[in-house]
Amino acid sequence: DSGVTQTPKHLITATGQRVTLRCSPRSGDLSVYWYQQSLDQGLQFLIQYYNGEERAKGNILERFSAQQFPDLHSELNLSSLELGDSALYFCASSWTPNTGELFFGEGSRLTVL
Amino acid sequence: AQSVTQLGSHVSVSEGALVLLRCNYSSSVPPYLFWYVQYPNQGLQLLLKYTTGATLVKGINGFEAEFKKSETSFHLTKPSAHMSDAAEYFCAVSLAGGTSYGKLTFGQGTILTVHP
Repeated sequence: DSGVTQTPKHLITATGQRVTLRCSPRSGDLSVYWYQQSLDQGLQFLIQYYNGEERAKGNILERFSAQQFPDLHSELNLSSLELGDSALYFCASSWTPNTGELFFGEGSRLTVL
Repeated sequence: AQSVTQLGSHVSVSEGALVLLRCNYSSSVPPYLFWYVQYPNQGLQLLLKYTTGATLVKGINGFEAEFKKSETSFHLTKPSAHMSDAAEYFCAVSLAGGTSYGKLTFGQGTILTVHP
């Protein structure tokens, strides 16, 4: 158990819909990262927050957005969903933002039909 | 920008045999290097990391990796494979400090199969 909690574990929805994925980082960790894992793209970095502020952005679509709240939990919002958004979305956290030593949750598997 | 190439998307070994998973990286500045393991239906778990200092690093479950700057490699090895080692392994690179903020760039992964 990494200490990172993601909900929901599985989500099935239709094209055009909007979903929210939630992440609670390990106790004391200030940095939260979101990654997308798919068969064709592999593990892709989406976005990072540190203590409530956006720190780095990767290949995140404009239809996607995220935020980190004062209690340090984070949410990833995916809207106008397309079939190609079906993937495993991982949240990871770390205490310091500069080392790359991340603790991953078990992921939220999104299926868009 | 940094990148990671893992040679071989699938590696199959017999139980007790040497495990060698290959990783080459590209980075314009000194990198931090990592190996993560993903078991079925689970998140990624850190196996080992290289930041600075000793180039041979030891990780959990008997794995180790050697940072070779001249070869831009960070291959993962284990002397004797165990059935429980079957999983997908990811090599990753992070720039040391700066504006990378610990963002990891992952390779495409290598699925390790261990035969009895």
